[in-house]
Amino acid sequence: QQKVQQSPESLTVSEGAMASLNCTFSDGTSDNFRWYRQHSGKGLEVLVSIFSDGEKEEGRFTAHLNRASLHVSLHIREPQPSDSAVYLCGGEASSSFSKLVFGQGTSLSVVP
Amino acid sequence: DAGVTQTPRHEVAEKGQTIILKCEPVSGHNDLFWYRQTKIQGLELLSYFRSKSLMEDGGAFKDRFKAEMLNSSFSTLKIQPTEPKDSAVYLCASSDLGGVNTGQLYFGEGSKLTVL
Repeated sequence: QQKVQQSPESLTVSEGAMASLNCTFSDGTSDNFRWYRQHSGKGLEVLVSIFSDGEKEEGRFTAHLNRASLHVSLHIREPQPSDSAVYLCGGEASSSFSKLVFGQGTSLSVVP
Repeated sequence: DAGVTQTPRHEVAEKGQTIILKCEPVSGHNDLFWYRQTKIQGLELLSYFRSKSLMEDGGAFKDRFKAEMLNSSFSTLKIQPTEPKDSAVYLCASSDLGGVNTGQLYFGEGSKLTVL
């Protein structure tokens, strides 16, 4: 099964600084990629979905996809304390939902 | 629109007990997923249904885990018998495959299970 390496495991940034998270996939099984946010005790919510190389912006969240390097990243502009949460990347194969894979998550803390 | 609803939110069980977790997907969604989430393993797929048919049963979880989808708006996950290693958050998700969001998953808030 496809594996996902997500980094860093945890990240602390100051309010207003840029936060950058990364995921590298082990092979090219996934076609579509999403970044999710999970606040403590809550489910996962989709932040950005990206289906082609390049970048996709949703408000303060920008995802970058490079299929050749099997790499997807998330940049959070002007993070706020309310953005403190666990962030997970996910990959989907359009051929089968059973091939959904997720990263282990990055725990982000935004300090005032 | 109501999102994915999971009950109970918290469950404490003694080792060997049977527990049943419940999930109501987003109305109209045809794909339903059960995941187990732990800090060490992350998200692990337990079961995947499409239009009430079981598509994936999560391999390693077959023996004590059984998910059912009795109708398009209700699913259960039974763990029998429970073991302490089953302590985790169980997440249910549904999807609008073929919709505008191209199969985006919508997650419930999870059921946190503690087995003593």
